[in-house]
Order: sequence, then C-alpha cells, then structure tokens
Amino acid sequence: DVKVTQSSRYLVKRTGEKVFLECVQDMDHENMFWYRQDPGLGLRLIYFSYDVKMKEKGDIPEGYSVSREKKERFSLILESASTNQTSMYLCASRGASETDTDTQYFGPGTRLTVL
Amino acid sequence: GEDVEQSLFLSVREGDSSVINCTYTDSSSTYLYWYKQEPGAGLQLLTYIFSNMDMKQDQRLTVLLNKKDKHLSLRIADTQTGDSAIYFCAGCPPGGFKTIFGAGTRLFVKA
Repeated sequence: DVKVTQSSRYLVKRTGEKVFLECVQDMDHENMFWYRQDPGLGLRLIYFSYDVKMKEKGDIPEGYSVSREKKERFSLILESASTNQTSMYLCASRGASETDTDTQYFGPGTRLTVL
Repeated sequence: GEDVEQSLFLSVREGDSSVINCTYTDSSSTYLYWYKQEPGAGLQLLTYIFSNMDMKQDQRLTVLLNKKDKHLSLRIADTQTGDSAIYFCAGCPPGGFKTIFGAGTRLFVKA
C-alpha cells in the first residue's frame, strides 16, 4: 500500500512565523502535490513537483514556497504565516502516467491555525 | 482549462441509495475519479472510470459516465452511516500533471 505521511496533524502558529509542513511518500513516486482545502472551495493546488529539485506553481502559490531535495520528501514553506493561511493542507503523490492510472494518494492532512 | 462542478450537500436515509452528481468541462480526461474524505482524514480513492466506459460497478458503488453531457455520477446502494463523508469528483487531462477536483459533496446519512 502507498503511504503518504505528513509531519503534523494539527499545528498552531503565530502571524509572521515561518512554518514548515513536511510530506513523505514511500512509493518512489515522481509527482508530489500540495493542496489547501477550505469549506466550499474544495481542493486548490498550491505547488507541485514532478522530479527532485523541480517545482511548478499551482493555482494559488502566493505566500508559499516548496522544496524537493529528495524524491520521497516534499516540503511546503510559509515564509511569514498570515491568518488567511489558516486551512487544512493536504499532500499527495502520484506515479508516472504510463504505469499508473494517474491516481493521487493523499496524506492525512495538517490542520494549520495561524493566530 | 478543466472545471468540475458538484452540489455541496446530499442527505439520505440509511438503507436508501445515494446519487452524487458531477459535471465537467474538459472531455479529454483519460480517467475520472471519485475520492472519499472521512472526517479528519485525507482523500482516499474510492473508484475511477476510464473515459471509454459508460458504467463501472464495484460492490455497492456504480459509476455512470455520460460523455455527451459531460456528466459523471456515483451511486451508493444501501447507504450506511459509515458512508457519511465528503465525495470529490476529479479528472486529469492526459499527459497533464494537474488533477482537477470538484468542491466536494458532503453526504449526510440519517439513521
């Protein structure tokens, strides 16, 4: 079974703090994704990565950055947390299209509250 | 680009069938998916359908795809309280990296 883990289930930070959200997958997947989930808005893609050290902006990258130094790990960074970044953050991974049905495998999520 | 729309809420009685509907704009998606999110958890793939199929059945789940109308539905037979969750419809264009998710339908099952 694919396993995607996220470093924290719940996190409380103060405005202006630097926040790191870590995600690790154990299936040697090339593609990894960070989403945020807000009520009524569904999932919105923040950033994705299709290879080590490669990253692409998603639909809402402002205020976020990412790091992919190793294939299994994809980090989301909030350089200076703000209250409007209070949300549920979901990490996902996906194998290469030719060997997979493009299915994404999700971690359990990190609920971040910025005070 | 792809846009996926689904209603936000559905309420059914235990034992009844649930039908969750989804419409999408881009017909080039090779696969269309249904994901389930239980309270406090991440999304889990429930089922998927290949774009050249009209129907797929998997135990209590039936997926119907109407490509002409760009309509996808998920039917859950004999709905149980454990089926209470948010259900997301999603599609991924071929060769694309981005899966497009609907906003999710929250299913309430009344005992």
